[in-house]
Amino acid sequence: LAKTTQPISMDSYEGQEVNITCSHNNIATNDYITWYQQFPSQGPRFIIQGYKTKVTNEVASLFIPADRKSSTLSLPRVSLSDTAVYYCLVVFSGSARQLTFGSGTQLTVLP
Amino acid sequence: KAGVTQTPRYLIKTRGQQVTLSCSPISGHRSVSWYQQTPGQGLQFLFEYFSETQRNKGNFPGRFSGRQFSNSRSEMNVSTLELGDSALYLCASSLDSTSAYEQYFGPGTRLTVT
Repeated sequence: LAKTTQPISMDSYEGQEVNITCSHNNIATNDYITWYQQFPSQGPRFIIQGYKTKVTNEVASLFIPADRKSSTLSLPRVSLSDTAVYYCLVVFSGSARQLTFGSGTQLTVLP
Repeated sequence: KAGVTQTPRYLIKTRGQQVTLSCSPISGHRSVSWYQQTPGQGLQFLFEYFSETQRNKGNFPGRFSGRQFSNSRSEMNVSTLELGDSALYLCASSLDSTSAYEQYFGPGTRLTVT
């Protein structure tokens, strides 16, 4: 059974880099990790996805170590508006594809 | 480009009733997925549709069903409602149904069962 684990909450200060880790059963080489951001009363918003060691876009980076048992979302220089809940989504391939969200990490950015 | 729309936004039903929720994906998107979000269980996958076919189903009882139409719009139905079905139901669309999950979520339908 696919399972993912995230820290419940994290605090940071404006301008700092924040790293949020998602732990999961080891995933296959081509299994994707996706990260979403959710504000209250809104649906999750796509941040970044990938299956390789490192992916970077204009807002975040995603790191997946060689053992593929975890992934890390890195947010550079956070601001107050980054206060939200962050979810990882792991798509486990196989005979029956399983889509499993992590439990979410409440990130609070302090001034 | 218009985003994912869900109707209705809020719904109150009584135990034993049934409910149908609607989702209109982003134009051009052919894959639609449904999720249930509750404070206790978090985000849980319900099912995924692509080109009118259910591709994948989460671990929910048969009271939960869905379908997708030829224009990619999707509906989900919950029959014989229980108190525990109270939740935010989210619909997400994506271009296609590969292992890449760049999904765009709607605002959700808040269902309250009394």
